Amino acid sequence: QSALTQPASVSGSPGQSITISCTGTSSDVGGYNYVSWYQQLPGKAPKLMIYDVSNRPSGVSNRFSGSKSGNTASLTISGLQPEDEADYHCSSYTSSGTLVLFGGGTKLTVL
Amino acid sequence: EVQLVESGGGLVKPGGSLRLSCAASGFTFRTYSMNWVRQAPGKGLEWVSSISSSGTYTYYADSVKGRFTVSRDNAKNSLYLQMNSLRDEDTAVYYCARDPSRSIPPPDYWGQGTLVTVSS
Repeated sequence: QSALTQPASVSGSPGQSITISCTGTSSDVGGYNYVSWYQQLPGKAPKLMIYDVSNRPSGVSNRFSGSKSGNTASLTISGLQPEDEADYHCSSYTSSGTLVLFGGGTKLTVL
Repeated sequence: EVQLVESGGGLVKPGGSLRLSCAASGFTFRTYSMNWVRQAPGKGLEWVSSISSSGTYTYYADSVKGRFTVSRDNAKNSLYLQMNSLRDEDTAVYYCARDPSRSIPPPDYWGQGTLVTVSS
């Protein structure tokens, strides 16, 4: 099964807001509210930033928010800070035999 | 504090075998389903395999089915991945990752990863 579709890169200036999209199908993103977003710093493990579409784990800044419309989920980062520069990956439960899908990752550059 | 520590990675020739381990602590391991996820150099994340909390049910990506075997020892709080018939394209950092308490992915906690390099 194909991976979820994310833009390869996005950029923004400090203080601005950016949104990263994650497009799937009705068998994954569109069919379930089990979408997560991860932040991955260079050489580090992924860190959970958003789960169940729009929930933030304890300790994650409220500058990070998630939403979903149809088969597309989105991660919005407001008030961009230099430390937000990282790769961001989306993931969804899928009713196919593979159980979970990941996006190809989006590199965020803070200009 | 949840901790997942992978080990067992290294350099192996094509066709060879390797066994990865993941030591879990800071939570009741036997009640959580677990996953292996890999990331090839410069690429995105790829789900590899999942195992239910009891070990009864296992799931595999098509790319590794028939070559990799996931298992767990709840008495030792450990997760394993036996990798046979390794190919160049299996070269990646392999992460151990825990599913949320509802036992439905995506994962919440991840280990730091262990590098597997398949090369002659």
